[in-house]
Amino acid sequence: DSGVTQTPKHLITATGQRVTLRCSPRSGDLSVYWYQQSLDQGLQFLIQYYNGEERAKGNILERFSAQQFPDLHSELNLSSLELGDSALYFCASSSAGVGYNEQFFGPGTRLTVL
Amino acid sequence: TQLLEQSPQFLSIQEGENLTVYCNSSSVFSSLQWYRQEPGEGPVLLVTVVTGGEVKKLKRLTFQFGDARKDSSLHITAAQPGDTGLYLCAGASGNNDMRFGAGTRLTVKP
Repeated sequence: DSGVTQTPKHLITATGQRVTLRCSPRSGDLSVYWYQQSLDQGLQFLIQYYNGEERAKGNILERFSAQQFPDLHSELNLSSLELGDSALYFCASSSAGVGYNEQFFGPGTRLTVL
Repeated sequence: TQLLEQSPQFLSIQEGENLTVYCNSSSVFSSLQWYRQEPGEGPVLLVTVVTGGEVKKLKRLTFQFGDARKDSSLHITAAQPGDTGLYLCAGASGNNDMRFGAGTRLTVKP
């Protein structure tokens, strides 16, 4: 158990819909990262927040957005869903905001778009 | 195109064999990490290497960071079925931007 929790574990929805994935980092960790993992794309970094502020942005689509709240939990919002958005979405947390950091991953949310 | 190229993509071996997997890039990293991921679970950190030429050992696993901090290798001695999984390397640049390779999927048959 990494100490990072993600909900829900599974999510099935239809194209065009909007969903919200939730992540609670390890106690004391200030950084939260979101990743998308699909069979053909591997683990793709989406976005990082540190202590409530966006710190780094990766391959995140404009249809996707995220935020980190004062209690440090984070939400990833996916809208206008497409079939290709079906993937595993992982959240990771670390204590560091800069420099090398060890990330601890949650169990993931499996999103299926029908 | 992956910033980090991992090879081989798939590897299937018998229990007791040795193996090496590679992680290569044209970019220099401030640090490099190796993770292992089992089906349906998140990646679990195995090791972080920071210094060029650094070698770290974790039981039967030996990790090496290239002198130029552009590449890394993971060697497993006497592989066991419990070593089966997806091995991912991840490189961090100075601005805290981390990129993952596509992984090597290892299967160790009993």
